[in-house]
Amino acid sequence: DAGVIQSPRHEVTEMGQEVTLRCKPISGHNSLFWYRQTMMRGLELLIYFNNNVPIDDSGMPEDRFSAKMPNASFSTLKIQPSEPRDSAVYFCASSSEKRGGTEAFFGQGTRLTVV
Amino acid sequence: GEDVEQSLFLSVREGDSSVINCTYTDSSSTYLYWYKQEPGAGLQLLTYIFSNMDMKQDQRLTVLLNKKDKHLSLRIADTQTGDSAIYFCAEKDDYKLSFGAGTTVTVRA
Repeated sequence: DAGVIQSPRHEVTEMGQEVTLRCKPISGHNSLFWYRQTMMRGLELLIYFNNNVPIDDSGMPEDRFSAKMPNASFSTLKIQPSEPRDSAVYFCASSSEKRGGTEAFFGQGTRLTVV
Repeated sequence: GEDVEQSLFLSVREGDSSVINCTYTDSSSTYLYWYKQEPGAGLQLLTYIFSNMDMKQDQRLTVLLNKKDKHLSLRIADTQTGDSAIYFCAEKDDYKLSFGAGTTVTVRA
């Protein structure tokens, strides 16, 4: 398996633009997580899906952020409109067991820069 | 709530042992993890320990858990230059992983 695949690896956009980050979890995994990593706040869980259903979105910063998982092999995280303070590395992770599993496998991340 | 704390930096000489410490607050944590992050990469699971264990050894890695004090440590024996990275301690309660800020380990020749 190729692991968790995220795209793009890097994104530079202007303030106010819409940004869409993509994630393909490991085949067979039924849990998916979106994390954000910044110097100031470290790693924060944004949203958790189980069997394509959002279970916990309490970490989503505000209404500008939305996430979808239309099927078991694809998820998106959208920011609209983007702001400079959204600049961070966004990680997608997946795991195989109910309620999150033993190990979460992380993608390589998308480094987002909003100017 | 969850709160995982780690020291931010560790410098160690090649060949010596590294010890990275972590404290956590959630006594209901089922698993505790150590992840490694190399520059520009995602997080890679190094090892984990069940909350009812005291110690786990995996080749050069030894994890010690003091559940009473909520203290977790990772010892890397014979530290190599390839061990230079950021190491994250994480606790898991149900599905949620809560991470520490990460310890940057620098291995010097």
